[in-house]
Amino acid sequence: QQQVKQSPQSLIVQKGGISIINCAYENTAFDYFPWYQQFPGKGPALLIAIRPDVSEKKEGRFTISFNKSAKQFSLHIMDSQPGDSATYFCAASIGDKIIFGKGTRLHILP
Amino acid sequence: KAGVTQTPRYLIKTRGQQVTLSCSPISGHRSVSWYQQTPGQGLQFLFEYFSETQRNKGNFPGRFSGRQFSNSRSEMNVSTLELGDSALYLCASSVLSVAAYEQYFGPGTRLTVT
Repeated sequence: QQQVKQSPQSLIVQKGGISIINCAYENTAFDYFPWYQQFPGKGPALLIAIRPDVSEKKEGRFTISFNKSAKQFSLHIMDSQPGDSATYFCAASIGDKIIFGKGTRLHILP
Repeated sequence: KAGVTQTPRYLIKTRGQQVTLSCSPISGHRSVSWYQQTPGQGLQFLFEYFSETQRNKGNFPGRFSGRQFSNSRSEMNVSTLELGDSALYLCASSVLSVAAYEQYFGPGTRLTVT
């Protein structure tokens, strides 16, 4: 019940394309869903986050879509750029507990 | 505000030795969590400290331990190192705000066990 399943493990997208990473959770008590971006040699950094009372949140080229009934949420990166190449982690939290997905390694082809 | 700092950034140890890693959280953050990151395994939670007390613990052997000081700085210790302990060790400081529980990661300590 505490798992967050993330897919795909790796993703290759052409420059200018849309990158989509999906996550699914089981515990309906989770109330906050952040995405983290990690570049090689760096720690993960908070990218964008959403609460379950909102179906979509957009910040620049990054959009989270949230489907509460399906217990799924996804990250969309529009107009993907080589600089977006990184590992992305989804997470779900409640109170002081946070569970991370296993990560998606995204590579944007120039 | 300064971010989370971790020292040292890189470390090479021999199997059987022990190691201590240090983490200084963001000023005002009282919670510090530690994670082990290895290729393909994602972020594996080690433990979390809040106000000098271990509040949550992951599924790691007792060789992994930690502590937190009164200034919220935290240390993590690994005794009797094994080759499989080679990993990036990440520290995250957090604050439980009205909005959410957000974690801010340091750059990590890359530990290599030979």
